[in-house]
Amino acid sequence: KAGVTQTPRYLIKTRGQQVTLSCSPISGHRSVSWYQQTPGQGLQFLFEYFSETQRNKGNFPGRFSGRQFSNSRSEMNVSTLELGDSALYLCASSADSSNEKLFFGSGTQLSVL
Amino acid sequence: GENVEQHPSTLSVQEGDSAVIKCTYSDSASNYFPWYKQELGKGPQLIIDIRSNVGEKKDQRIAVTLNKTAKHFSLHITETQPEDSAVYFCAARSLSGYNKLIFGAGTRLAVHP
Repeated sequence: KAGVTQTPRYLIKTRGQQVTLSCSPISGHRSVSWYQQTPGQGLQFLFEYFSETQRNKGNFPGRFSGRQFSNSRSEMNVSTLELGDSALYLCASSADSSNEKLFFGSGTQLSVL
Repeated sequence: GENVEQHPSTLSVQEGDSAVIKCTYSDSASNYFPWYKQELGKGPQLIIDIRSNVGEKKDQRIAVTLNKTAKHFSLHITETQPEDSAVYFCAARSLSGYNKLIFGAGTRLAVHP
């Protein structure tokens, strides 16, 4: 059974640009969560989708958005990139809405120059 | 708001010693507490979890204990090995936010041969 797949693995952007990150959950999993990981802030919750509906949103500006498709694949978008957006973005999936047994992908390392 | 505090931030032990990482959560309604291990270049991996109706759970060299009254839970690793070296995160599931997981800041464990 394939794990959570995130693409791309690495990304370099400049300030002001926008970026889209992709996540394919484990087959059969319906819940997808996104986290931002930085050395100073740890794992910060961005948002969670279940059956194409956003159930939770963390304390991030509106420049951060996401969506989930009918096949449970998810994308997150960051517009007007800032230097502080440089981070590892992690996607995680779980089988149902309980969020027990959350499985993480390897992440997308975003560098904003 | 919901918060999980994790201590210590770094831990250095000799191979064969035990390691203990402690977490405190703020939301008394939390009922699920997973622990994750993150190795360099990888996403966090679930290593053990416990529900609030259980006081202790063990899996080979790893054990987790929960004190609901004090809102504390701890990870115990016995007979540590160099491959246990990683960053460990605790988390608590918040019932007030559609089962959102709140993570601690992480503990960097180094096991020296």
